[in-house]
Amino acid sequence: NAGVTQTPKFQVLKTGQSMTLQCAQDMNHNSMYWYRQDPGMGLRLIYYSASEGTTDKGEVPNGYNVSRLNKREFSLRLESAAPSQTSVYFCASSEAPVLPQHFGDGTRLSIL
Amino acid sequence: GQQLNQSPQSMFIQEGEDVSMNCTSSSIFNTWLWYKQEPGEGPVLLIALYKAGELTSNGRLTAQFGITRKDSFLNISASIPSDVGIYFCAGQLRRGGADGLTFGKGTHLIIQP
Repeated sequence: NAGVTQTPKFQVLKTGQSMTLQCAQDMNHNSMYWYRQDPGMGLRLIYYSASEGTTDKGEVPNGYNVSRLNKREFSLRLESAAPSQTSVYFCASSEAPVLPQHFGDGTRLSIL
Repeated sequence: GQQLNQSPQSMFIQEGEDVSMNCTSSSIFNTWLWYKQEPGEGPVLLIALYKAGELTSNGRLTAQFGITRKDSFLNISASIPSDVGIYFCAGQLRRGGADGLTFGKGTHLIIQP
């Protein structure tokens, strides 16, 4: 009964390093999303995937890439990490785009 | 991007008091959602609203989708210590759109025993 699982939970990177954040859901949902949460802010959408095989940019896509590997998995990649990407990253999924999203517990990423 | 104005930013209340928070937007939203987030965890859905004027309850929580579709409120009755957390409103612009949610900045609820 895991729901949305994100790995890793914590990560520290140096500027310029690359990293992939993993997300998997076991609810057979079609749509998946990546958000970032900064202090004092609500969540902001980075990328989303309405269904397997499709991805689209959200509000803050610069510096990120995504892959919808299969229906269960949606990864987020930082090719060259920058301090401005220090944040908490949340993955979410929903059965259909119009339905509420269920969130993972987040990946806390610090870039030095 | 779209913005949701959520207020108040924080609330310090006594256990047993009722709580009210709201969200407003300059844009029309077709779906309003209320989430709660506790430290170290992701947001958890509390209530989903799909129709203008809709009033929905979930235990001690009640939320309404404003008639203008530009606002929503959440009430918590008879607060208890486990209600502590950050409450977020979120709206979706396009019905059926897969463009994610727009979030407010959250209301921090702190309960003094």
